[in-house]
Order: sequence, then C-alpha cells, then structure tokens
Amino acid sequence: EAGVTQSPTHLIKTRGQQATLRCSPISGHTSVYWYQQALGLGLQFLLWYDEGEERNRGNFPPRFSGRQFPNYSSELNVNALELEDSALYLCASTGGSNTGELFFGEGSRLTVL
Amino acid sequence: GQQVMQIPQYQHVQEGEDFTTYCNSSTTLSNIQWYKQRPGGHPVFLIQLVKSGEVKKQKRLTFQFGEAKKNSSLHITATQTTDVGTYFCAGQGGTALIFGKGTTLSVSS
Repeated sequence: EAGVTQSPTHLIKTRGQQATLRCSPISGHTSVYWYQQALGLGLQFLLWYDEGEERNRGNFPPRFSGRQFPNYSSELNVNALELEDSALYLCASTGGSNTGELFFGEGSRLTVL
Repeated sequence: GQQVMQIPQYQHVQEGEDFTTYCNSSTTLSNIQWYKQRPGGHPVFLIQLVKSGEVKKQKRLTFQFGEAKKNSSLHITATQTTDVGTYFCAGQGGTALIFGKGTTLSVSS
C-alpha cells in the first residue's frame, strides 16, 4: 500500500513568488495535516483538513493557505514568498478527525532565494 | 493557544547510558503521541498515550503520561547507536496535534 506522497521533492523560488505543494494521503485517510519544519524549530503546525474542511490553522500569516480536494488530497499554497519560508514542509495523514497515528510523507524542501 | 514544551533540546550520551526527554503542555491533553525522526528522514510514530498516569513500554523505551494529562516523558534504557535521532512529543487538546520542538539524541560508542 502506498504511503503519503508529496510533490515536488525540492522547489526553489525567489522572494515574492508563489509556491504550491501537493500531498496525497494514504488511501482511506480523510484527514491531512501540514507542518513546517525549519532548522532548529521543530514541527510547526500549519493547517489541518478533514473531510474537505479546514478544521484548524496554526499561527501563520494568511499568505499560507491550502485546500483539500474531494479525493482527500491536499495542496498548500504560499504566496509572496519570504526568505524565512525556506523549510521542509511535511504532510501527514490520519484516519479521521479524532487524530490517531500520523503517517508522514517525505516532505517538500522549499528554498527561497 | 496550546503550547507543547520539550526538554532538553539536545542530549549526548555514551552508548549504554540512559536517556530521558520531557514534555509539558500548557493545557490538558486528550492524548499525547511520540515520534522519532532519524537524520534526513521524516517523523515516524512510536506510541500514543491516552489515560491519566498511563505507562507503556516498547523494549528499552518507557513512555509515561502524567496524572494531570499535561506532561509526559520518554525514557530509553541502555542507549544504542540506533537510537540516534530527534524525539518529538505531540499533544492533542481538542484541536490539532501540536508538536514540541523535539530532543535530538546523539550517541557515541
């Protein structure tokens, strides 16, 4: 069975541009989490989607947004990129809104120059 | 909002020594989870604790959930080089799963 898949693996952008990251959850999982992992800062919660709805968002500016599609895949959009947005973006899926074990993808490494 | 603090940030031990990382939440948690992230890898689930005062063991790893359901610990007995990585706790207080900043363990043989 396929795990959580994320694309692209690496992405290089310049300041002010926009980035779109994609995530496909494990088959049957309806809930998707997005986390930002910048160097030394651990995993910072970005967004949580379940059954197509945004359930919660972390303490990030509005230029971080996303959505979940009817097939439960998700995308994260980051507008007006800033240098400090450079990080590993991790997507994780779980089976439902009562969060159990999170299954993480390998992440998308975003570099902003 | 909910915050999860984890200490220490870094720990270096000699192989065979014990290791403990502590996790504290600003709010009462419904459950707490522990993950391990190897260098260059992604976090991998270790365990979930749900009950107040719960203690669970996985071989050399012992996990505890505090009576007030606001703190937790992970203890590794007789560390091995394969234990190297960053250990994260993650707490859920009715909203999203919030991670601590992690404890990075290094082990020298």
